[in-house]
Amino acid sequence: KQEVTQIPAALSVPEGENLVLNCSFTDSAIYNLQWFRQDPGKGLTSLLLIQSSQREQTSGRLNASLDKSSGRSTLYIAASQPGDSATYLCAVRRGSSNTGKLIFGQGTTLQVKP
Amino acid sequence: NAGVMQNPRHLVRRRGQEARLRCSPMKGHSHVYWYRQLPEEGLKFMVYLQKENIIDESGMPKERFSAEFPKEGPSILRIQQVVRGDSAAYFCASSPYLSGQETQYFGPGTRLLVL
Repeated sequence: KQEVTQIPAALSVPEGENLVLNCSFTDSAIYNLQWFRQDPGKGLTSLLLIQSSQREQTSGRLNASLDKSSGRSTLYIAASQPGDSATYLCAVRRGSSNTGKLIFGQGTTLQVKP
Repeated sequence: NAGVMQNPRHLVRRRGQEARLRCSPMKGHSHVYWYRQLPEEGLKFMVYLQKENIIDESGMPKERFSAEFPKEGPSILRIQQVVRGDSAAYFCASSPYLSGQETQYFGPGTRLLVL
């Protein structure tokens, strides 16, 4: 059974810091891994999608890496800003051909202080 | 191209009533997923549908819950005889196809409160 864990559960940093969020999964048989952002009371916004054959993806100040063999992914946020404050969710899609369901971690709640 | 739409955004029901949650996928998307986020918990998969077919309902409670995605119209998640434990945020996501390369686009969610 696939389980996804995110560490830490919460993180508070001063503005301008670089930071790393961690995600681990127990079953390396995945199709892809996604990082999402969720603002309070809102839906999810997809940040980055990494295919199982890829090692990393970048978008602006965000960089996500994937090490499938060790079951780990990291989301690196450079030069953090108060607007980055949100909950960040990691989700994996199982390596199955007949379902696209995502398995989510519990999330890391980030607060960036001005 | 409008995003995934869900309505209502907030729904209040008394125990024993029925709740109907609607999801209109993005234009051109024929795959719909429903997830539930209980208070202080992560998102959990409930059901995956294509037009007129339920593909995977492994995450949906066996009783009181049902889902459909008709040929015309939105996908509906129906909860009969709601109980307080059904209070949660219900999110719908859609994707255009199932290839392993597509992302899922999420709606804003419906927050259900059972009194």
